[in-house]
Amino acid sequence: KAGVTQTPRYLIKTRGQQVTLSCSPISGHRSVSWYQQTPGQGLQFLFEYFSETQRNKGNFPGRFSGRQFSNSRSEMNVSTLELGDSALYLCASSLVVQETQYFGPGTRLLVL
Amino acid sequence: GQQVMQIPQYQHVQEGEDFTTYCNSSTTLSNIQWYKQRPGGHPVFLIQLVKSGEVKKQKRLTFQFGEAKKNSSLHITATQTTDVGTYFCAGIRGADGLTFGKGTHLIIQP
Repeated sequence: KAGVTQTPRYLIKTRGQQVTLSCSPISGHRSVSWYQQTPGQGLQFLFEYFSETQRNKGNFPGRFSGRQFSNSRSEMNVSTLELGDSALYLCASSLVVQETQYFGPGTRLLVL
Repeated sequence: GQQVMQIPQYQHVQEGEDFTTYCNSSTTLSNIQWYKQRPGGHPVFLIQLVKSGEVKKQKRLTFQFGEAKKNSSLHITATQTTDVGTYFCAGIRGADGLTFGKGTHLIIQP
């Protein structure tokens, strides 16, 4: 089976802009989770979706949002970008919620 | 906030030495998962422990889950350069969902 794919892989934005990241899970996986990874804070959970519904949400401001489509593909959006949003954004899929996470390669976002 | 603590943050070892990373939670975990992230890569699932006191082995790696299901450890025997990376534990803490520790960065000196 193909692994988790994320697009784009790299992105440069400026403060105040918004960004949309995309994730395609492993075929048959219905749960998609998003994480932010930075050197200082490690892996921080953003949210998890299952069957198009948000099941869990981490402690991030409302500028971070996401959605899941009927084919399990997911997008996350960050509005009004701040310098501190520069990070590696990882998507992970699993068969059901909170199960073994299969991570994608990530999208590296740089905010200038 | 982060409630799954992982120590040490960094560990330097000589190739051939053993390595251990520890994971502790303030509350009982439903299960514990371990992941490895190579430099420049993404986390890759290693193993899941579910039962109290469970011990599992994968070649030179030994994983343990504490009796109270609040702590876990990963021990690598005779490290090799291929073991370099960051090792994360992740636990499910009730309604909080899957929470990752901050990871232990393993640096191996040849």
